[in-house]
Amino acid sequence: AQSVTQPDIHITVSEGASLELRCNYSYGATPYLFWYVQSPGQGLQLLLKYFSGDTLVQGIKGFEAEFKRSQSSFNLRKPSVHWSDAAEYFCAVAIFSGGYNKLIFGAGTRLAVHP
Amino acid sequence: DSGVTQTPKHLITATGQRVTLRCSPRSGDLSVYWYQQSLDQGLQFLIQYYNGEERAKGNILERFSAQQFPDLHSELNLSSLELGDSALYFCASSFDHSAGELFFGEGSRLTVL
Repeated sequence: AQSVTQPDIHITVSEGASLELRCNYSYGATPYLFWYVQSPGQGLQLLLKYFSGDTLVQGIKGFEAEFKRSQSSFNLRKPSVHWSDAAEYFCAVAIFSGGYNKLIFGAGTRLAVHP
Repeated sequence: DSGVTQTPKHLITATGQRVTLRCSPRSGDLSVYWYQQSLDQGLQFLIQYYNGEERAKGNILERFSAQQFPDLHSELNLSSLELGDSALYFCASSFDHSAGELFFGEGSRLTVL
């Protein structure tokens, strides 16, 4: 079955440190992949997406992600974390079925940033 | 501001009751999606509508139903409520149904007592 796995439930980093959030997917075809961020009390906002082409994708707020087909991974990275990046991050894959899609989300990774 | 509006923001009700959650998509978006977010189940896809028609169904209980109206707003009806239905219900919209970017509302927090 199609699924998205985010192995880390909680991650804590110091402000200014680099960040990598892991995401692995299970899907037979070439996936459409997404990272969303959810700040406290807010809805989800798209950070970046991968459909095809360059496997390194740039997003908003200084985030990037790299698609690695051989590892079925789509890890999110940021070179220097800011306190405002504290939020919950969701990886998602679009599943096509019957000509239509639905977005399947991972369980999320909650990021805490220490000053 | 995503442009997706959900009402009410908070709702407290009792078991056995019925509630209706409302969603107005972004201007121009034809697809509406409903998601349930709870601590134990995470973010679960419930159902999708495109231009008034149901397009995809996820883990939606039979006690739940939804529809999308001609003006493209959508309603999620939850009936015979149970304690376990307490969750944050998100509506999202997109222009089409082709797995593009979804724009999420801020959610309706339902508490069942």
